[in-house]
Amino acid sequence: EAQVTQNPRYLITVTGKKLTVTCSQNMNHEYMSWYRQDPGLGLRQIYYSMNVEVTDKGDVPEGYKVSRKEKRNFPLILESPSPNQTSLYFCASSLLAGAAGYTFGSGTRLTVV
Amino acid sequence: TQLLEQSPQFLSIQEGENLTVYCNSSSVFSSLQWYRQEPGEGPVLLVTVVTGGEVKKLKRLTFQFGDARKDSSLHITAAQPGDTGLYLCAGGEKETSGSRLTFGEGTQLTVNP
Repeated sequence: EAQVTQNPRYLITVTGKKLTVTCSQNMNHEYMSWYRQDPGLGLRQIYYSMNVEVTDKGDVPEGYKVSRKEKRNFPLILESPSPNQTSLYFCASSLLAGAAGYTFGSGTRLTVV
Repeated sequence: TQLLEQSPQFLSIQEGENLTVYCNSSSVFSSLQWYRQEPGEGPVLLVTVVTGGEVKKLKRLTFQFGDARKDSSLHITAAQPGDTGLYLCAGGEKETSGSRLTFGEGTQLTVNP
């Protein structure tokens, strides 16, 4: 089944403890992206990648890192999480980006205390 | 940062009624996508429009991209309770082939039986 898989689905962590949210897609898509969704603010893009080793900042990149060492994986790294990074996170992938639209993962609900 | 404004923000109607959701911006987009999101899940792509003036139909849903590629609308005919959900529009930035996506805040639609 063609899908974008995120792990974990739920995560509670403490301030400052480094964490990684994994994202993997099995559709051989070149384009991948991370978003956070917050009430009243909608979906905001954190980082995106147009191909292996090609990443760029979205609207809210501060406090996040990404890497794209292989086509299928696009992990999101929080080096020192803070409470304002408590949010619902989505990974997405696409074959043709704007021309084709994105397939989204099921989300990761992160709470930083 | 390009902005997309969706209206209305909330819409509650009776089964069988028609409705239109609008997505407006002062910026030009290379593509415009519509998604529907259920609580706790990732957005699911409904349609992508890429040509100014383009109209696409998906059963009872009709999508239109404005001639100037700055706005879009979603029209639902004879709404059903199964249409209930959060409808999101997203504009793709031309310079990044649509990798850089800006989302509207969404329209929460409730269709009452």
